[in-house]
Amino acid sequence: DAKTTQPTSMDCAEGRAANLPCNHSTISGNEYVYWYRQIHSQGPQYIIHGLKNNETNEMASLIITEDRKSSTLILPHATLRDTAVYYCIVIPLRTSGSRLTFGEGTQLTVNP
Amino acid sequence: DTAVSQTPKYLVTQMGNDKSIKCEQNLGHDTMYWYKQDSKKFLKIMFSYNNKELIINETVPNRFSPKSPDKAHLNLHINSLELGDSAVYFCASSHPKEGFNSPLHFGNGTRLTVT
Repeated sequence: DAKTTQPTSMDCAEGRAANLPCNHSTISGNEYVYWYRQIHSQGPQYIIHGLKNNETNEMASLIITEDRKSSTLILPHATLRDTAVYYCIVIPLRTSGSRLTFGEGTQLTVNP
Repeated sequence: DTAVSQTPKYLVTQMGNDKSIKCEQNLGHDTMYWYKQDSKKFLKIMFSYNNKELIINETVPNRFSPKSPDKAHLNLHINSLELGDSAVYFCASSHPKEGFNSPLHFGNGTRLTVT
């Protein structure tokens, strides 16, 4: 599976957009980009995923560069409850069960 | 209406004891998992079951034995507990679809402390 690189920490003001970058320069053609987050003392929570097109759902938007070597997760109007560790994960299209490997992630702190 | 529930939430025990953690999901998913999150916060897969059959075993010591009585339950039994087993254990489930890695739904974890 492709390795990902994320900043260790980021800050964002409440109500502003939070843009979380992820580098995955070794991604291969059949690998998806997934984003999860983990709020303190809770289990990880799925946010969004994509292959090569930009994606949007009720939680966030995912922007993947044309060469697919990096992506950005966008929380359009961050709230205090979005404070969490955000994980960017790259995983092949088909695996025998989802063998997700979580790296260190980005600690996002939303400030009032 | 909890989707993936684990019990207990906290477990404190002494070295050498045997303990179990239970997990149940009401999402109708076919696949269930156990993940371990260590003190450095790295989350790693331990086991995966699909319709009660083991499909992933990530070189976990034999002291760890998962049991799936039905596809809605995946329990984790740990024999002869060691200090290094102290961690947060997360259960998860997913419903794999053709050509798609369905998102995992995680429980809120069981914090195991071995003294």
